[in-house]
This record gives sequence, C-alpha cells and structure tokens, in this order.
Amino acid sequence: AQSVTQPDIHITVSEGASLELRCNYSYGATPYLFWYVQSPGQGLQLLLKYFSGDTLVQGIKGFEAEFKRSQSSFNLRKPSVHWSDAAEYFCAVGASNDYKLSFGAGTTVTVRA
Amino acid sequence: ETGVTQTPRHLVMGMTNKKSLKCEQHLGHNAMYWYKQSAKKPLELMFVYNFKEQTENNSVPSRFSPECPNSSHLFLHLHTLQPEDSALYLCASSQIWTENSPLHFGNGTRLTVT
Repeated sequence: AQSVTQPDIHITVSEGASLELRCNYSYGATPYLFWYVQSPGQGLQLLLKYFSGDTLVQGIKGFEAEFKRSQSSFNLRKPSVHWSDAAEYFCAVGASNDYKLSFGAGTTVTVRA
Repeated sequence: ETGVTQTPRHLVMGMTNKKSLKCEQHLGHNAMYWYKQSAKKPLELMFVYNFKEQTENNSVPSRFSPECPNSSHLFLHLHTLQPEDSALYLCASSQIWTENSPLHFGNGTRLTVT
C-alpha cells in the first residue's frame, strides 16, 4: 500500500522569500503524485499533479514540484511567496490502477510580513 | 453552479440526533467519495461510490450510512454519533479510470457532536 510523509508540520516564511515543502512517498511502482492546498474553511484545491513525463511540473499560483524517483520525493516549491499563500498543503500519492489516494498529514504555511 | 457543493457548511448535533450531509457534483464525474479530516491527521477515506455502486467502505462505524442515488448526488446519514466524530467531512468526485482526473473537493461540512 502506498503512503506519504510530510516531514514538516509547520513552516514560517517571510513574504517574498522562497518556499519548499517536502513530500516523501512509499509506493512500489510509478506513482501518481499530487499537491493540494487548503485555505481556512475551504476544501482542498489541486495545485499540480504528476503522472508521467517531465519530472518538473508546473501548477497554479506559481507553484512547481519536482519528482525524484531515486529519493522517492515530490517537493513543492515557489520562488516568492505571497501573503495569500498562507494555508495548509497536502501531498498525495495514488496508483494508475487504483482510484484511491493516500494523503500526508499536511504542512501548515504561515507567511509573515 | 460548478464544482462540488456540500451542505450544510456547519452542523452541530447531539449524540442522539439524526442528520444528513449532502454533496452534489456538477462535473459529470462517475465517482464520489466521503473523506474525514481531523486536525493534524491525514485525510481518511470513508466511502467510495463508483457508478453509484459502493466500492469502498474503510471499516467505518455503522453510525455513518452513505447513500448515492445517482452519479451526481451523495449523502452521509448520521445517527447516534460520538464526540470523537467531530471533524470536517469532505466530499470529492473524480472521473474514475481516466488519467489526469484528480479528485475535486467540496468545501466540507464542519461537524460538531455535543
């Protein structure tokens, strides 16, 4: 069964600084990988996904993520954060033959002025 | 309306009450899901409906009873809940077996059991 670990529970970053959120997954075959963002009182919104091909994927809101098979990682990055990026971020992994996703516990991002 | 809509947004109920959560998707998807989100825990998949047929029940207590009358509507009937059932309940939909079809989530129902 697949699983996801997000090592950082909480990250604080200054507005305009870069952001990197870590995600490590466990899965035997080629995974489907996702990053979702959840603002307070909202559901989860898809930021980006990786199924195959280019290992650097671009998402919405200026986010990107890189799939590194050798490290079993799918880290999320943004070069310059905005105050509106303060939210909780979830990494998820799935399989091509299974519609179920496994989610990490999330990383809360606080942006200071 | 577009996307996935959940009602009500907030619900407070006593342990002896019976209530229902409603979810409607306007995306033409063929699968719908209930997830439970508790603080600082991974999302827990509760139920999956694929073409209106329940295909997943992750050992959920019988006090939670799902219903999927068609591919656009999903309900979660609640009765005799416990305080530990207080959480955010998220509905999602997807086009199963289609690549590049991720989960689309509603905004959730915040449930408080008193």
